[in-house]
Amino acid sequence: GAVVSQHPSWVICKSGTSVKIECRSLDFQATTMFWYRQFPKQSLMLMATSNEGSKATYEQGVEKDKFLINHASLTLSTLTVTSAHPEDSSFYICSAHGGLGRTDTQYFGPGTRLTVL
Amino acid sequence: QQQVKQSPQSLIVQKGGISIINCAYENTAFDYFPWYQQFPGKGPALLIAIRPDVSEKKEGRFTISFNKSAKQFSLHIMDSQPGDSATYFCAAGWGTYKYIFGTGTRLKVLA
Repeated sequence: GAVVSQHPSWVICKSGTSVKIECRSLDFQATTMFWYRQFPKQSLMLMATSNEGSKATYEQGVEKDKFLINHASLTLSTLTVTSAHPEDSSFYICSAHGGLGRTDTQYFGPGTRLTVL
Repeated sequence: QQQVKQSPQSLIVQKGGISIINCAYENTAFDYFPWYQQFPGKGPALLIAIRPDVSEKKEGRFTISFNKSAKQFSLHIMDSQPGDSATYFCAAGWGTYKYIFGTGTRLKVLA
């Protein structure tokens, strides 16, 4: 149980284009989803917290107009990287929290590798 | 005050040995302490977690030791295996369910 999927698993795009990443909780309803960014050999940096039906809360230093987050349902959150540039290349990971009996744990997706050329 | 300090940065252990990774925190508002295992190119997977009202929790070969007064907690991997070679992250969470992650420990278990 507690499976979180992400799509796509990797994406290569040209500079200036937008990329959408989907995060789904497959077997539970996620009241809260989180988006992280991870550079090679580094820790996970929280970008934003997303609650179903409300606006995302962004961490300090994260551009909300560049990283658009939508949490339209209890099983789906999307991250759109708008006008992507090479410095946006990174490993993006979502996590989901919630569901019966899972009061504190975040379950992570497999991650999406974004490469911006 | 929001930091979680993790050590060592890297660790090499012989097969069958004990791997020990330590974390320290400052904010006493933290009330949930999970450990995650991450393989290259994959998302973190929950290993084991503990709350401050318990001093130790064991699940299979993995044990968390928690010292509330010292604000420290550690992960012990008994009988370490080459398949345990991965990066391990501690984290601290609180009521908003946000986590602060440690910097990670790259474990290599030699066959």
